[in-house]
Order: sequence, then C-alpha cells, then structure tokens
Amino acid sequence: AQSVSQHNHHVILSEAASLELGCNYSYGGTVNLFWYVQYPGQHLQLLLKYFSGDPLVKGIKGFEAEFIKSKFSFNLRKPSVQWSDTAEYFCAVRADSWGKLQFGAGTQVVVTP
Amino acid sequence: AAGVIQSPRHLIKEKRETATLKCYPIPRHDTVYWYQQGPGQDPQFLISFYEKMQSDKGSIPDRFSAQQFSDYHSELNMSSLELGDSALYFCASSPRDRRTDTQYFGPGTRLTVL
Repeated sequence: AQSVSQHNHHVILSEAASLELGCNYSYGGTVNLFWYVQYPGQHLQLLLKYFSGDPLVKGIKGFEAEFIKSKFSFNLRKPSVQWSDTAEYFCAVRADSWGKLQFGAGTQVVVTP
Repeated sequence: AAGVIQSPRHLIKEKRETATLKCYPIPRHDTVYWYQQGPGQDPQFLISFYEKMQSDKGSIPDRFSAQQFSDYHSELNMSSLELGDSALYFCASSPRDRRTDTQYFGPGTRLTVL
C-alpha cells in the first residue's frame, strides 16, 4: 500500500525566512503529486501539482516544489515566508491519473512576525 | 469561479442519530470524493463517485452510505452516529480528464456528535 511521509509535524520560523517542507512517498509506479494548504478554519486549497514534465513546479503564493523520482520525494519550498503563510500543509499522492488522494500527516507551519 | 458547495457547514447530532451531508460539485465536474478529517489528523478517503456510480471505496464504516445523483450532487448518509464520527467531512470534485484531474475541495461540514 502506498504511504506518504511528511518529515516535520511542526515548523516555526520568522518572516522572510526560507521554508522547505519534506515529503516522501512509497509507491513504485507513476504517481501524481500535490501540495495542499489549509489555513486556520478553512478548507484545503491546492498550492501546486505535478503530473509529468518539468520536475520543478511553481504554484500559487510563491511556492514551488521539486519532484525527485530517484528519492521518491516532492519537497515544497518558499524562499521568503510571510505571516500569512501560517497554515497546515499537506502533501498528497495519487497512484492513478485519477482517484483518491493519499495524504501525509501534515506540517503545521507558524510564521512569527 | 464557482466552487464546491457543502451543506450544512455545521451539524450537531446526538449519539445514535442520523445525519445527511450534501455536496454540490463544481459545474461540469462529474467525479465526487468524500474525505473525513478527524481533529489534528490528515484527511482520510471515504468513497468516490463517477457518473453516478461508486468508483472507489476507502475506510468508510458500514453505517455510512453515499450516492451521486443525476445532477452530480452527492449525499453522505450517516446512521447510528458515534462520538468518534465527530470530524470535518470534505467533499472534493474533479473533471474526469487525465490532463486536468485535480480535486477541488469544498469548505467542509463540521459534524459534532454529542
């Protein structure tokens, strides 16, 4: 069965610091990869996705992620965070080109002013 | 742009009662997914529908049932509610297109079972 592992459960950083959240998955076949963000009290919003092609994908709000197939990783990055980036971030994997998402446990990110 | 609509947004029920959650997908989306997110947990897949047929089933209790109607909206019916059913229930919709099948989530229904 496929699984998704997010390395950090809680991250606290100051505004303007750089952010990198790790995500590894276990599945040998072709996967689609996603990062979703959940702001306090809100629903999941898509940050970015990777289906195929350029392994470096850019998403909304200045986020980007790099798919490294050999490492089964899809790490999320942002060069300079803002207080409004305080949220929970979920990595998700889908084994088919459509179908259910398998989520990681999430990383709670707190950005201090 | 139109988003996924879920109703009600909040629901409070007693143990052993029943609840019905509704999901209205984005127009022209024919696939609906239901997820359950317990307190402090990641969303867990429950069930999905494509063109009014169940397409996949996850960790959905036998006490729960769901269906998708001709207008593509979906309802999740929950019976004999237990305290552990208290959670945020998300619906997501997507078009069944290999190039663009991204799931867009609704705001969720927060169910509290007392």
